[in-house]
Amino acid sequence: EAGVTQFPSHSVIEKGQTVTLRCDPISGHDNLYWYRRVMGKEIKFLLHFVKESKQDESGMPNNRFLAERTGGTYSTLKVQPAELEDSGVYFCASSQNIGTYEQYFGPGTRLTVT
Amino acid sequence: AQSVSQHNHHVILSEAASLELGCNYSYGGTVNLFWYVQYPGQHLQLLLKYFSGDPLVKGIKGFEAEFIKSKFSFNLRKPSVQWSDTAEYFCAVSSYNQGGKLIFGQGTELSVKP
Repeated sequence: EAGVTQFPSHSVIEKGQTVTLRCDPISGHDNLYWYRRVMGKEIKFLLHFVKESKQDESGMPNNRFLAERTGGTYSTLKVQPAELEDSGVYFCASSQNIGTYEQYFGPGTRLTVT
Repeated sequence: AQSVSQHNHHVILSEAASLELGCNYSYGGTVNLFWYVQYPGQHLQLLLKYFSGDPLVKGIKGFEAEFIKSKFSFNLRKPSVQWSDTAEYFCAVSSYNQGGKLIFGQGTELSVKP
């Protein structure tokens, strides 16, 4: 069974540019989560999809961040325009349902904004 | 709001030493507790989890953790560490009524000297 995959693994962009991160969850997992770790700090929750619906987006930093999960399969997280403080590692995780609770993590995308 | 605190940011041990990593959380309701590990260059992966029942839970690679409700703690232990345990360890909590999102501690970097 393939795990959670994320693309790209690393992205370096200039301030003001746009970046789109992609996450492919484990097949059949309805729940998809995005997290972010800014250097030196804890991993923080960004948002949660159940299938194609946003269940909880309370962790999204501001309206420069837009997440989608069309068709309830893969998800994208777009940052537009990127700022220096957006640098960090963006993790995606998926789980079969909330009841099982175990989340499987992808390798993360390291975003560097210069 | 839920929060998780890990007592140590960086721990250095020699092989065969015993390990205990502290984790305390703050939340008034029923929680689920986790320890995740990230080995160098690898994904975050689940070490062990507590949902209910026996407060002493055993995980992979000889790790165990004890849930002490009265102390809001979920400390991770291993009687004898190996060089291959060098990694970053994360304590996390979630609750069903918050959609299962994980609230992480700051992480503890463990370095084991051969």
